[in-house]
Amino acid sequence: GQNIDQPTEMTATEGAIVQINCTYQTSGFNGLFWYQQHAGEAPTFLSYNVLDGLEEKGRFSSFLSRSKGYSYLLLKELQMKDSASYLCALMGGYNKLIFGAGTRLAVHP
Amino acid sequence: GAVVSQHPSWVICKSGTSVKIECRSLDFQATTMFWYRQFPKQSLMLMATSNEGSKATYEQGVEKDKFLINHASLTLSTLTVTSAHPEDSSFYICSARDRQETYEKLFFGSGTQLSVL
Repeated sequence: GQNIDQPTEMTATEGAIVQINCTYQTSGFNGLFWYQQHAGEAPTFLSYNVLDGLEEKGRFSSFLSRSKGYSYLLLKELQMKDSASYLCALMGGYNKLIFGAGTRLAVHP
Repeated sequence: GAVVSQHPSWVICKSGTSVKIECRSLDFQATTMFWYRQFPKQSLMLMATSNEGSKATYEQGVEKDKFLINHASLTLSTLTVTSAHPEDSSFYICSARDRQETYEKLFFGSGTQLSVL
């Protein structure tokens, strides 16, 4: 089976940096994804990690440690529009994408 | 990027009726599509995996006779909620895998908000 844990809610200030952590347990691993989701909308792909290390894409970076079952999403230069839910998702055996409960991020002026 | 079209965007129906939701990959062939359900302030829960030309694989706890999935072509999968009840009211989202991508990236439809009265 699979288990994904991430904080339920976080708050941050506009212009700051925030790190959203995700820990997981899985019997098969084919990659870890981060998605952004605004209320009532479909998820939007942010990043993908399959090897250990840091992947950087503009203001967003994602880190993976497979040995620790740990990932984080780093958001820099926060903007108000970054207020959303951030979903950690694991692609395990059978290539099914399983989502964590999501972290609701509120960015304040 | 690849586009997945999902219709309808929202639907309101009476209890006991059936509702069909369509998911189309517009510019790529999707041999596998996934159906998710999301309740308010909760994450996406995988319901079933839809494979073209074969029976869908349902997750534990999902009633296959209630949520009928048909994947008759490489670009279309449908989810039919049969005899819908108020507890079936939810946000349903499909996703499709584009095998032309360098990794197993999923593209999501825009979702269907179902309200059963």
